[in-house]
Amino acid sequence: DQQVKQNSPSLSVQEGRISILNCDYTNSMFDYFLWYKKYPAEGPTFLISISSIKDKNEDGRFTVFLNKSAKHLSLHIVPSQPGDSAVYFCAASATQGGSEKLVFGKGTKLTVNP
Amino acid sequence: DGGITQSPKYLFRKEGQNVTLSCEQNLNHDAMYWYRQDPGQGLRLIYYSQIVNDFQKGDIAEGYSVSREKKESFPLTVTSAQKNPTAFYLCASSIDTGGNYEQYFGPGTRLTVT
Repeated sequence: DQQVKQNSPSLSVQEGRISILNCDYTNSMFDYFLWYKKYPAEGPTFLISISSIKDKNEDGRFTVFLNKSAKHLSLHIVPSQPGDSAVYFCAASATQGGSEKLVFGKGTKLTVNP
Repeated sequence: DGGITQSPKYLFRKEGQNVTLSCEQNLNHDAMYWYRQDPGQGLRLIYYSQIVNDFQKGDIAEGYSVSREKKESFPLTVTSAQKNPTAFYLCASSIDTGGNYEQYFGPGTRLTVT
């Protein structure tokens, strides 16, 4: 049973436009959400996170939106750059349980075309 | 420089042999994790440890073993009982900073078993 779902395996956008990556979750205990970026044959790198007490968090070109009622979050990248081409993983954690376990989605491969 | 190191980058073994993957961190993080990544599967948790001399099974622990004798080190042994050991293995660490559950990843080890 997949608790974190990234339903789009891939996304292609033009340089300079907005990239929107989506993530849905099923576990209502999740209260902390993260996005990671991963290049081939490398470890993921942390991008941005959001706590369930917020509905938006912004860091430069990256903004994460959280809709708790819909159990949905999205990552917006504006403007998209060719260097943003990578696989993006959504991850969630139920922090109140005292565990730091993260549950990852399967990832969305973003391609930004020049 | 602080970080997580995994060695070697590429590892080849014959079927039936146990193999140990190294993971070292100098970030002074309490928690460490092992994931494997397979094509289209995202990151799946094998084992994690929140404190020295203690560790818990993740979602796919069968055929793997770990030890946590030192805070800095969390080696993973892939045993001959693991049915599909060929994968990209990622080690991560994290520290609880008041609800900030970011995990930092090493560069990964690609294990090929033939």
